[in-house]
Amino acid sequence: SQKIEQNSEALNIQEGKTATLTCNYTNYSPAYLQWYRQDPGRGPVFLLLIRENEKEKRKERLKVTFDTTLKQSLFHITASQPADSATYLCALSTGNNRKLIWGLGTSLAVNP
Amino acid sequence: DTAVSQTPKYLVTQMGNDKSIKCEQNLGHDTMYWYKQDSKKFLKIMFSYNNKELIINETVPNRFSPKSPDKAHLNLHINSLELGDSAVYFCASDEKTRGTETQYFGPGTRLLVL
Repeated sequence: SQKIEQNSEALNIQEGKTATLTCNYTNYSPAYLQWYRQDPGRGPVFLLLIRENEKEKRKERLKVTFDTTLKQSLFHITASQPADSATYLCALSTGNNRKLIWGLGTSLAVNP
Repeated sequence: DTAVSQTPKYLVTQMGNDKSIKCEQNLGHDTMYWYKQDSKKFLKIMFSYNNKELIINETVPNRFSPKSPDKAHLNLHINSLELGDSAVYFCASDEKTRGTETQYFGPGTRLLVL
């Protein structure tokens, strides 16, 4: 069956360290993969998109990698700050109907 | 200035009632979505409209009926509410014709059915 899996347990890291979140998928061939941030009581906010023919994308302290052989995307936050604490969701799209399939999200807590 | 807005923000109602949630986007997007996020935080697509035409209709009870009067609005009407309908409902939009895949979400409507 088709599945998207993210780190199920919450991630706790110290301020200044790099946070690495994982998104694995099975039985999909995504055209692209996106990462969103969701704060409590709010809707998801788009962060980065990476396409199937791209290996890596960066935006300020954020970096996303995409390995279609491993069927995995990694999301990195360097020099993490307490303000980065949130739930991070990955979502992939496989076709032209633009339906996004969502992971459950990983909760990140950055401790001062 | 709000890009995607939803009303109401909170909705507490009794089982069996009928309720509506409204969504509006001022981004000029041509596609709008309804999602349900349950207590386990799983975000599940329910419906999508492109220029007022239904393009995604997931397996959702027919008590849920979306309506898009124009491409800037997508409303969700729920008949005969059940306990299991309690969740956060998010509206989102994006622009299909320009090929931008980023979805913009509203703040959510927290529905509690008693």
